[in-house]
Order: sequence, then C-alpha cells, then structure tokens
Amino acid sequence: DAGVTQSPTHLIKTRGQQVTLRCSPISGHKSVSWYQQVLGQGPQFIFQYYEKEERGRGNFPDRFSARQFPNYSSELNVNALLLGDSALYLCASSFGDRAWDTIYFGEGSWLTVV
Amino acid sequence: QQQVKQSPQSLIVQKGGISIINCAYENTAFDYFPWYQQFPGKGPALLIAIRPDVSEKKEGRFTISFNKSAKQFSLHIMDSQPGDSATYFCAAASRGSTLGRLYFGRGTQLTVWP
Repeated sequence: DAGVTQSPTHLIKTRGQQVTLRCSPISGHKSVSWYQQVLGQGPQFIFQYYEKEERGRGNFPDRFSARQFPNYSSELNVNALLLGDSALYLCASSFGDRAWDTIYFGEGSWLTVV
Repeated sequence: QQQVKQSPQSLIVQKGGISIINCAYENTAFDYFPWYQQFPGKGPALLIAIRPDVSEKKEGRFTISFNKSAKQFSLHIMDSQPGDSATYFCAAASRGSTLGRLYFGRGTQLTVWP
C-alpha cells in the first residue's frame, strides 16, 4: 500500500512568490494535516482537514492556506513567500480526526526561499 | 512557547549502550504521548506511544516511562544499535480535543557508534 505521498519533493522559490504543495493521504484516510519543520526543530502544526472541512489551524499567518478535495487529497498554499518560510513541509494522514489515531507522515516537500 | 521541552539536543552512545531522551510538558490536558523517529530525508515515523493511565510501556528495545505528577516522560533505547542513529521527537496531544494536533519537542539527534 502506498504511504502518504507529497509533491514536489524539492523546490526553490524567490521571495514574494507563491507556492502550492500537494499531498495524497493513505487510501481510506480522511484526515490530512500539514506541519512545518524548520531545520533543527520539531514539526509545527499548520492545518488539519477532516472530511474536507478545516478543523483548525496553528499559529501561522493568513499567507498560509489549504484545502482538501473530495478524494481527500490536499493542497497547501503559501503566498508572498518570505525567507523564513524555508522549511520541510510535512503532510500527515490518519483515518480519524483525533491525535491518537495513528498519524502517518509523508517524506515532505523541501522549500527553499531565496 | 514550546509546549513540550525535550533534552538533550544531541546524544552519542556506544553500540550496546542505553540511550535516554527526556521530555517535559506543562499542559495538563495532554494525555497522549507518542515518540517519533526521523531518518535524514524522511518524514517522522511513529515509534511508540503511551497514555497516562500506565507508567511504562515497552516495545522491543524501546521503553517509554511516564511520570504524571512530574509531567515528564522519557524514551529508553536498550542495546542501542548504529541503525538507531536518527532524530527522535517526543510529542503530546489531547485525546479529548476535536483537533488532531500534535505538539512536538525540538528533537534529539542520536548517534550510536559501532
């Protein structure tokens, strides 16, 4: 069975540009969450979507947005990129919407902003 | 502020030794404590998790010890192997929350020398 798949794996953007990151959850999983992992730190929660509805967002500016599609895949959009947005963006999926449902992470999308 | 504090930042252990990583939290609503293992270039993978109704959980060479009164929990890796070299993250969550959000520590980079 395929795990959580993310694309692209690496990308380089210029300050002020916009980026879209994509995620396909494990088949049957209805919850998708996005985390940002800055080098040398733990993942920080950005969004959770469950059954195509936003369940919550972390302490991130409105430049960050996301959505979940009918097939449960998800996109994370970041507008007006800043140098500080350079990070590994992780998508996580789970069957249910609770933290104690086993959460599976993808390998991430490495974003470098120059 | 960091909801989960993790130490040490890095750890070097000889093959066959015991690796110990400690975490502490303040939020008494937390009642689910997973540990994740992350290899370079990969997403975090769930290693072992504990709920506060037990003080210890063991899976193979990995043991979580939990001290509810001190609001601390730790990961012990017995008979550490070079293949255990990775970054380890503790995390915490509230099972009662309708939001499946994990709060991660900053991570511990473990190196096991052969």
